[in-house]
Amino acid sequence: GNSVTQMEGPVTLSEEAFLTINCTYTATGYPSLFWYVQYPGEGLQLLLKATKADDKGSNKGFEATYRKETTSFHLEKGSVQVSDSAVYFCALSDMNNQGGKLIFGQGTELSVKP
Amino acid sequence: NAGVMQNPRHLVRRRGQEARLRCSPMKGHSHVYWYRQLPEEGLKFMVYLQKENIIDESGMPKERFSAEFPKEGPSILRIQQVVRGDSAAYFCASSLNSAATGELFFGEGSRLTVL
Repeated sequence: GNSVTQMEGPVTLSEEAFLTINCTYTATGYPSLFWYVQYPGEGLQLLLKATKADDKGSNKGFEATYRKETTSFHLEKGSVQVSDSAVYFCALSDMNNQGGKLIFGQGTELSVKP
Repeated sequence: NAGVMQNPRHLVRRRGQEARLRCSPMKGHSHVYWYRQLPEEGLKFMVYLQKENIIDESGMPKERFSAEFPKEGPSILRIQQVVRGDSAAYFCASSLNSAATGELFFGEGSRLTVL
């Protein structure tokens, strides 16, 4: 079945460091890909998405490119801030005869130190 | 607040009791999803509902768990005869269209603790 694998956390960085969180997927067909972010004590929020191969999603300085050849959707940010500390989830759309749902990876915790 | 509303935010139950978790989707949304987040794990899909219909329950445990989304009122996730392994955060999400094409909006979750 469809699945998403993320790099394990926690990831600890200093402020202004470069961030990469790896995400690879297994899917039949051509799913849409998403990054969601969960701040402490809150629900998930959509960060960015890409709906087809070679699309780049971007938001708040984060970006990720849909790479069909490597089945990846790695999240990057050039300069992280303390306020970026959160758990980041990669997800793909899972379409079947019953409609659609999102399949999430296990999440990667990011901690940014001043 | 026009967001997804879940209640209760925290619920404590003893083994064998029932837990009822409620979710009011965003205004105008007719697609509701329930996910479970176990400690140190990611989000696991449980069930997808539209008004009065269960669309996909492939992630629901076969026993003790049920969900509904009536024509009027919130969606309910019901867990009967809770066990310690049911302790988790349960998140509800809603969308205007199917999740594959649109954005999922999540509630803040209901955290169930089973003693």
